[in-house]
Amino acid sequence: GDSVTQMEGPVTLSEEAFLTINCTYTATGYPSLFWYVQYPGEGLQLLLKATKADDKGSNKGFEATYRKETTSFHLEKGSVQVSDSAVYFCARLAGNMLTFGGGTRLMVKP
Amino acid sequence: ETGVTQSPTHLIKTRGQQVTLRCSSQSGHNTVSWYQQALGQGPQFIFQYYREEENGRGNFPPRFSGLQFPNYSSELNVNALELDDSALYLCASSIDRARGNTIYFGEGSWLTVV
Repeated sequence: GDSVTQMEGPVTLSEEAFLTINCTYTATGYPSLFWYVQYPGEGLQLLLKATKADDKGSNKGFEATYRKETTSFHLEKGSVQVSDSAVYFCARLAGNMLTFGGGTRLMVKP
Repeated sequence: ETGVTQSPTHLIKTRGQQVTLRCSSQSGHNTVSWYQQALGQGPQFIFQYYREEENGRGNFPPRFSGLQFPNYSSELNVNALELDDSALYLCASSIDRARGNTIYFGEGSWLTVV
């Protein structure tokens, strides 16, 4: 079945460090791809999306490129802040259903 | 602020009881989906409603049921609660069954079954 695999956390970085969170997905069909962020005690907030191969989604300094050849959608940010500490979820949309990865907790230290 | 509102935000129920969770979708969105997020895991798709009809279901037993109303708001009902039903229940709204459109989530309802 459809699946999304994320790197396990927690990922601990110092402020201003470079961030990469890996995400791969099953290649069935032509899914849209998303990154959502979840702050403690809150619901999911859409961070960025890409709907077709080679699309780059970006928001708040975060970027991810839809790579069909490697079935990947890695999340990157050039300089993280303490306020970026949260759990990040990669997801694929096929038909009417989002399939999520297990989430990656990011902790940014001052 | 996604425009998707859920109630209640927190509740505690006893095993065997029934619970109803409510969701108001973003204005103009005719599709509502429900997800269950257990602690430390990613959300799992329960089902979707489009124009008051169920439009797809995940791997959840029939004691999980739902409704969508003419104003596109929705309810999730869970009967015969089990301890493993303890989770964050997320409602998501979108236009026309998603299909690449953005899906917006509410803040969720935290259910604890004791």
